[in-house]
Amino acid sequence: EVLLVESGGGLVKPGGSLRLSCAASGLTFSNAWMSWVRQAPGKGLEWVGRIKSKSAGETTDYAAPVKGRFTILRDDSKATMYLQMNSLKTEDTAVYYCTTEVLVPDWGQGTLVTVSS
Amino acid sequence: QSVLTQPPSVSGAPGQRVTISCTGSSSNIGAGSDVHWYQQLPGTAPKLLIYAFNNRPSGVPDRFSGSKSDTSASLAITGLQPEDEADYYCQSYDNSLRVFGGGTKLTVL
Repeated sequence: EVLLVESGGGLVKPGGSLRLSCAASGLTFSNAWMSWVRQAPGKGLEWVGRIKSKSAGETTDYAAPVKGRFTILRDDSKATMYLQMNSLKTEDTAVYYCTTEVLVPDWGQGTLVTVSS
Repeated sequence: QSVLTQPPSVSGAPGQRVTISCTGSSSNIGAGSDVHWYQQLPGTAPKLLIYAFNNRPSGVPDRFSGSKSDTSASLAITGLQPEDEADYYCQSYDNSLRVFGGGTKLTVL
């Protein structure tokens, strides 16, 4: 069974930074393409970005609202994906979910990020 | 503005059949990209309901089914039950990147 556990959420001021982690188990993480999806309070799901596997070049793609501010990283030795968030804005307030990019996607339970002064 | 368009809400009485549409374009659903459907209960993570148009993960009742036509997809729920009241999202791929519908709130009357 695949298990994805997000951590690192919390309260941060506008302009600040935060790093989220997603610890994975139950899958061959080094082969997995991974994504972050977020959900603002009372709103729908929004794809944030993706990182491919090392064998696929470990390239990243980002949604327009976060491009240039967010960076997705991975450490295959720890089976962990990261989301480095800089220059945070109030509109980045959301629950952030870690998901796998496979035919039958798995999701974590999410971690809440609140950007407020 | 979501890339995939869903009705904001649908409703039905217990036992009835409801459908939720998901309208895309030639660059996503119309290009043959897979469509997944998720169910989200309040305060919980989305749960995969249907993957690759009409496949159910283990444990999902056969009351839930998916279909596709041209640039659209649909989720059908038969034998509506009170516990089906939730938000439903469709998801596909556009230029290989994930895109979501805006979500549909299902109310069981």
